[in-house]
Amino acid sequence: AQTVTQSQPEMSVQEAETVTLSCTYDTSESDYYLFWYKQPPSRQMILVIRQEAYKQQNATENRFSVNFQKAAKSFSLKISDSQLGDAAMYFCAYRSGSRGNTPLVFGKGTRLSVIA
Amino acid sequence: GAGVSQSPSNKVTEKGKDVELRCDPISGHTALYWYRQSLGQGLEFLIYFQGNSAPDKSGLPSDRFSAERTGGSVSTLTIQRTQQEDSAVYLCASSLVWEGYTFGSGTRLTVV
Repeated sequence: AQTVTQSQPEMSVQEAETVTLSCTYDTSESDYYLFWYKQPPSRQMILVIRQEAYKQQNATENRFSVNFQKAAKSFSLKISDSQLGDAAMYFCAYRSGSRGNTPLVFGKGTRLSVIA
Repeated sequence: GAGVSQSPSNKVTEKGKDVELRCDPISGHTALYWYRQSLGQGLEFLIYFQGNSAPDKSGLPSDRFSAERTGGSVSTLTIQRTQQEDSAVYLCASSLVWEGYTFGSGTRLTVV
């Protein structure tokens, strides 16, 4: 079974600075997708960024980018120019790409605080 | 609808009572998922529905938990004889095949 590990339960960053959230995963599959979700206090899970395993290029969405290291099974999220609205729980998630519409497997999350 | 709608937003129930949680997915989304999020924990998969296929119930923690999806749309998660350890946020999500999920805002269940 696939597992996702987020080793940082809590992180903090100064406003306008850069922070990196770590995620590692364990799988024997070669075809899969990786995601970062943000969960603010409203509880609404919001998709931040997505990476297909077959793509070598790291995904980027505005201030959010990932460092995808397939051999190391690492998928970290970098947030640049941090804003107060970035404060939330961040979840890393994995989904198989070869077995249809399978459920996401989530890590336990990292709580990010942004200091003004 | 514009998003995934879950009701109620919050539910307090007495131990031993049955509860029903509702999820109204985005129209046209073929897949629907239920997850449970306990305090300080990640999201635990419970069950998912894909079109007219038999649901994947592999994540349901006990036979007190069941779910159905009527007409390929609205889903109801039922917890019978609730226990205090069932207290959690129950999240529903829907998606098209191969797309990312759209989540609802969840139902916070408190069993007293």
